[in-house]
Amino acid sequence: GENVEQHPSTLSVQEGDSAVIKCTYSDSASNYFPWYKQELGKGPQLIIDIRSNVGEKKDQRIAVTLNKTAKHFSLHITETQPEDSAVYFCAAFVDRGSTLGRLYFGRGTQLTVWP
Amino acid sequence: DAGVIQSPRHEVTEMGQEVTLRCKPISGHNSLFWYRQTMMRGLELLIYFNNNVPIDDSGMPEDRFSAKMPNASFSTLKIQPSEPRDSAVYFCASSYRPRTDAEAFFGQGTRLTVV
Repeated sequence: GENVEQHPSTLSVQEGDSAVIKCTYSDSASNYFPWYKQELGKGPQLIIDIRSNVGEKKDQRIAVTLNKTAKHFSLHITETQPEDSAVYFCAAFVDRGSTLGRLYFGRGTQLTVWP
Repeated sequence: DAGVIQSPRHEVTEMGQEVTLRCKPISGHNSLFWYRQTMMRGLELLIYFNNNVPIDDSGMPEDRFSAKMPNASFSTLKIQPSEPRDSAVYFCASSYRPRTDAEAFFGQGTRLTVV
């Protein structure tokens, strides 16, 4: 099955700096890559996603890039703020057709933004 | 919509007791997922349903775990008998298939402690 690796597991940055989280995947059938943010005591929430036919996508301070050839994708957060502190998960959707496709999650990155 | 609703939010039980976790997916969603989150193993997919039918239960750890979805608006995850190693946060998520890029919406989770 799919194997999603995520690095780093923890990341500390100063407010205003940028943060980058990287993920790799193994299954070439993966075609959709969402990123989730999990705040303390809550469930993961989608913050941005990218499809396999797109190389980059941006939404205000967050951006994602995808390199299909190398099978890796990244999350970039610019001008970080303390409220960005959370656990971030990358995921890859393996499309097996019809109802058989599913998401595979990375292990998560604990991001801490210091004021 | 109130989102995915899980109950209870917290459950403390003694080893050997039966535990039932409940989930109400978002109205109109036809796929439902049960995840377990631990520090050691991250987010694990236990089982998912499409149109109330179990599609993949390969993540269910043991026969002690069972899940049902009697209708489109309700699902249960049961552990019988419970063991201390089952202590974790259990999340339910729902989405709309067959869109492969459909966002998965997570509930707030149930924190289970087995003593």
